[in-house]
Amino acid sequence: QVQLVQSGAEVKKPGASVKVSCKASGYSFTSYYMHWVRQAPGQGLEWMGIINPSGGSTHYAQKLQDRVTMTRDTSTSTVYMELSSLRPEDTAVYYCVREYRVYTQNWFDPWGQGTLVTVSS
Amino acid sequence: DIQMTQSPSSLSASVGDRVTITCRARQSIISFLNWYQQKPGTAPKLLIYAASSLQSGVPSRFSGSGSGTDFTLNISSLQPEDFAIYYCQQSYSTPPTFGGGTKVEIK
Repeated sequence: QVQLVQSGAEVKKPGASVKVSCKASGYSFTSYYMHWVRQAPGQGLEWMGIINPSGGSTHYAQKLQDRVTMTRDTSTSTVYMELSSLRPEDTAVYYCVREYRVYTQNWFDPWGQGTLVTVSS
Repeated sequence: DIQMTQSPSSLSASVGDRVTITCRARQSIISFLNWYQQKPGTAPKLLIYAASSLQSGVPSRFSGSGSGTDFTLNISSLQPEDFAIYYCQQSYSTPPTFGGGTKVEIK
């Protein structure tokens, strides 16, 4: 079955960087775009960016584009999201999510299980 | 960015009740609207895509409707496992944006 498995929880100090991985299985990795979405504690969902696993092209949310980098490794069907210059307000659960597209319609399915990143001194 | 507004932000209902959640887009998004359910401590799960198409495996008591700027998610007969937070999301333009969520609680 289609599955996205993320790396484990992280605790980081302000100013540090974090790199979260997301390993895909059960489908053709390079055929579907992958997004990252984050959710601060008790808050809603915020889109962070997208990566095309085929060519590696990316597009990031404007507010994060100076600090986020998304990459992929096609040999292991894994995408990565690195966030630098961490601030306490970056504390959140980070999700990778596959974009499923039919003609012009698209939606997010499935979602990874989430990775909690805590930023605290 | 297209702002998505959900109402209500929370509601209390009983098992067996019919529940309606509304999502409004600031501009027309035609039918590029998806609905997700999130239970505590878990990732969101797709319920409805393209405004009214039921995702495989999702119970038929869930339904979606609407087009343009106004959309609704209906639960025909609320079940104990339906108590959760529901989010709408527009996929009309980048960046994709989400509504603020509607928490469905037990009355």
